[in-house]
Amino acid sequence: QKEVEQNSGPLSVPEGAIASLNCTYSDRGSQSFFWYRQYSGKSPELIMFIYSNGDKEDGRFTAQLNKASQYVSLLIRDSQPSDSATYLCAVNGSGKLIFGQGTELSVKP
Amino acid sequence: DGGITQSPKYLFRKEGQNVTLSCEQNLNHDAMYWYRQDPGQGLRLIYYSQIVNDFQKGDIAEGYSVSREKKESFPLTVTSAQKNPTAFYLCASGPPQETQYFGPGTRLLVL
Repeated sequence: QKEVEQNSGPLSVPEGAIASLNCTYSDRGSQSFFWYRQYSGKSPELIMFIYSNGDKEDGRFTAQLNKASQYVSLLIRDSQPSDSATYLCAVNGSGKLIFGQGTELSVKP
Repeated sequence: DGGITQSPKYLFRKEGQNVTLSCEQNLNHDAMYWYRQDPGQGLRLIYYSQIVNDFQKGDIAEGYSVSREKKESFPLTVTSAQKNPTAFYLCASGPPQETQYFGPGTRLLVL
């Protein structure tokens, strides 16, 4: 079992819709959870981090964490074509961050 | 102007040659990391360092070497033992086990 799992996609949503990106992790001791966005050919950039169970909102982005289910998600409201990118989930563990394979999101005009 | 810099942006390696990728940060971060990314793939950890003069192997350390003589610098050498080095190399820094901030990356190509 991979330590951090994401659906590879591509996930396709129409402009203005809500995009939902999901991530599961295996280490119950993980305390910190991160979402990065990576445009094609560029380096990853941090979108959000979350430490506590529940929701954390930042503009159009909402991170949701459920430690009991070992599940973290990212919701993007009012999706825009500029949101089209690969989204990487990362979880802390073993002295480093462990990244998922990423989910490719495509927002269609 | 704070941040993480990587150089060069593109690097060409000849057969049997060692090459060194530079990574510098002025964010006063203790931890630094090197990742490799192949087309359409996720990030794979090569080496990481949580403190000066100490570093640990990641998942794919074979054919690579690093040093951490200064807090600001974490160069990566791709040795001739790495038979398939063509990839996008990303350096990151941050507090240990916390948020990592990435440099712009170096694309390594084999001639």
